[in-house]
Amino acid sequence: AQTVTQSQPEMSVQEAETVTLSCTYDTSESDYYLFWYKQPPSRQMILVIRQEAYKQQNATENRFSVNFQKAAKSFSLKISDSQLGDAAMYFCAYRNTGFQKLVFGTGTRLLVSP
Amino acid sequence: GAVVSQHPSWVICKSGTSVKIECRSLDFQATTMFWYRQFPKQSLMLMATSNEGSKATYEQGVEKDKFLINHASLTLSTLTVTSAHPEDSSFYICSARGMGTTYEQYFGPGTRLTVT
Repeated sequence: AQTVTQSQPEMSVQEAETVTLSCTYDTSESDYYLFWYKQPPSRQMILVIRQEAYKQQNATENRFSVNFQKAAKSFSLKISDSQLGDAAMYFCAYRNTGFQKLVFGTGTRLLVSP
Repeated sequence: GAVVSQHPSWVICKSGTSVKIECRSLDFQATTMFWYRQFPKQSLMLMATSNEGSKATYEQGVEKDKFLINHASLTLSTLTVTSAHPEDSSFYICSARGMGTTYEQYFGPGTRLTVT
């Protein structure tokens, strides 16, 4: 079974600085999808960024980018120019191409200070 | 686009009673819906997957007779917690996947259930 590991329960960053959240996963599949979701205090899950495993190019969405290392099964999220609104729980998630369910990591709480 | 709603957002019920939570896709047809449970400061745990018109597929360890899921239409799925007990108190989140989408799941805002 696939597993997703987030080894950082909590991270802190100051406004305008850059922070990287780590995620590793385990799978025997060669094609799959990886996601980062944000869950603010409202608890509404928000998709931050996604990566298709067959694409070598790292995904980027404005201030959010990933470092996808397929061989190492690593999928980190970099948040640049951090803002107070970035404070939230961040979940890394995995999905097979053939199956629909998401496998979530345990989450990383991001604290942003002024 | 791709909005998913849940109703109610918060419900309190007495032990032994049943409570129904609705999940609706407002602007797309959801062929598949997912129900998750989230305990405080923990991750999302998938409870079941439902496809429109079919019986739900429950994850291991989830009591199907206690958590009844119905996906009767392409825009509505319901989760009924039967004979609720305090240990069923949790945050329940649904997500929906539309026709033609490769990987996107859209999440509802969640429902907080408190059983007294």
